[in-house]
Order: sequence, then structure tokens, then C-alpha cells
Amino acid sequence: QQQVKQSPQSLIVQKGGISIINCAYENTAFDYFPWYQQFPGKGPALLIAIRPDVSEKKEGRFTISFNKSAKQFSLHIMDSQPGDSATYFCAASTTGTASKLTFGTGTRLQVTL
Amino acid sequence: DVKVTQSSRYLVKRTGEKVFLECVQDMDHENMFWYRQDPGLGLRLIYFSYDVKMKEKGDIPEGYSVSREKKERFSLILESASTNQTSMYLCASSLPSRAEAFFGQGTRLTVV
Repeated sequence: QQQVKQSPQSLIVQKGGISIINCAYENTAFDYFPWYQQFPGKGPALLIAIRPDVSEKKEGRFTISFNKSAKQFSLHIMDSQPGDSATYFCAASTTGTASKLTFGTGTRLQVTL
Repeated sequence: DVKVTQSSRYLVKRTGEKVFLECVQDMDHENMFWYRQDPGLGLRLIYFSYDVKMKEKGDIPEGYSVSREKKERFSLILESASTNQTSMYLCASSLPSRAEAFFGQGTRLTVV
């Protein structure tokens, strides 16, 4: 069963535009929501993460918006750049000794000139 | 700098072969994970380990086994490789108190 649903599957944005990727989760025990960025030929790397006690977290051009009641969270990339072209994965996890990440299906972002 | 190293970037194996994928981390992390990545399916957890000699099944353990004899090393074993195990395999590690996982660069396995 897909516990974390991610959309869209692919996204094309012009340079300078806003990229938005959405995720929804089912397990209310999840308390850690990271986004990973993956470039071709590389493993995923943590981009930004949020915990459910806040509704928004911003790091540079990247912002996570979190809606606990709707069980949804999203990644916004402001002023998108060609260097942001990558695959983005949302994930969710509980925290604790045996915590493990459950990933969404990924979004391939292409930022055009 | 933290590092998770997978022994091979690319592997080509024949159907029925026993395949070993090795992963080593230098961060003294207790938790280690094996995921496989397929287009449109994202990352799916195969097995994980939260201590030496401990292992837990993930979402898709069928056809795989794992070994963790030392804290820094976690091996994924395909007992009898099949073509549907052609995939990108990713190893990761984390501390038990933090969910942030660090990934290796991946092993692209092709079974012919």
C-alpha cells in the first residue's frame, strides 16, 4: 500500500518560476517529513525537513508547507533554477530506535531556460 | 564529511546467480537500510537493521536476505537473481534518535 502519495510525477518549470510538489500521507503516527533531492547518478540527499509542530519551514529558496489536519505537505521552490533540475522525493517517518523512511514515488523536475 | 559507500556502481549478473551488494558507512550509525529504486515506484524498503546481527523486513523482502556482522557494514544478498530484480539499489544509514538518512551513490544491477 502506498502510505505516501506524491504528485505530480513530472514537472517542467521555467527559470525564475515556482515549482510546487505535493505529498499526502495516511499514517498519523508519522512525525518527521523530509524532502530528498536526487541528481542523476547520485544517491538522494536530504534537502529540507519539517516536524508537525510547525506549519512552514523555509531554507533559502526551498519551503515546506505542512497541513496536519489534511495530512498533506508540499515543497515550494522559489525562483527555480536549471541547477534545481533533479528528482525530488517526499518521505515520512516516525522517530525512535527503529525509525525508517517511507518514500513517495518521486517527481522529476526540469527547469528550462 | 559523512559517507556511505556502496562497493559497486554497476553490476551485470546472470539469472540464478547469487549476488552480494556491499555497503559501508563511516558515521558509526546504528541503523542501516537497503532500498530499491524503480521509475514510478520511488524508493521501496527491502530490509533494515538497527543493530549488529539484527534485521527487520521492509516492504519488499521477497527474494532478498541481508547480513550485518559489523556495525559499519550491511550486505544485501540476492539468493538467486532474477530479471525482475534488475534495479537501482540504495544503501542508507541513520542514527536511531534521528530519522535523517544518508544514502550511498547506488548500485545499478542488471540481471540478464
